[in-house]
Amino acid sequence: AQSVTQLGSHVSVSEGALVLLRCNYSSSVPPYLFWYVQYPNQGLQLLLKYTTGATLVKGINGFEAEFKKSETSFHLTKPSAHMSDAAEYFCAVSGWGGSEKLVFGKGTKLTVNP
Amino acid sequence: KAGVTQTPRYLIKTRGQQVTLSCSPISGHRSVSWYQQTPGQGLQFLFEYFSETQRNKGNFPGRFSGRQFSNSRSEMNVSTLELGDSALYLCASSFGGSSNTGELFFGEGSRLTVL
Repeated sequence: AQSVTQLGSHVSVSEGALVLLRCNYSSSVPPYLFWYVQYPNQGLQLLLKYTTGATLVKGINGFEAEFKKSETSFHLTKPSAHMSDAAEYFCAVSGWGGSEKLVFGKGTKLTVNP
Repeated sequence: KAGVTQTPRYLIKTRGQQVTLSCSPISGHRSVSWYQQTPGQGLQFLFEYFSETQRNKGNFPGRFSGRQFSNSRSEMNVSTLELGDSALYLCASSFGGSSNTGELFFGEGSRLTVL
């Protein structure tokens, strides 16, 4: 069975500060890992994904995440927050081969203060 | 190319009624998945269809059903609506099959309110 834990349902940062959103997963098979972002009244948009290969994954809008198998983590970072980054972020895992069934974390709402 | 289209975007129903939601996937995508999003439970997987066959099913009662047509468009139906069915219902499409990358493309959702 697979599960995802996102530490912190709300994270608040100042504009220009580092963004760090935490995600730990549990999977009995090699996972595919994803970060999605959801803006108000919209669907989910893929930020980045890890399937195989390089463990540091770069995504859109300056975000990146590092897959650490030993820590079963896939934390999302951005060096400098922008006001437009305010949204809800979801970490998700799917099984080997990228089964269409995604298991999502509860989400982290990011607030960016001016 | 056009994204995933869901209709209707908003709807209000009363308890006991039924509702049908529609999803048109990205052209060329053969897999359609449905998720329910609520503040309390977050994003929960409902079911996934590939080439008109249900391939995966989440842990929801039988009141929740779906189908996929030969053109990959999908519908989901909820019968005998309950207050707890109020949610944002998200549809997602992907290539599926051997070309699957695990990445889902989401629509903007259908927001259902049950009174």
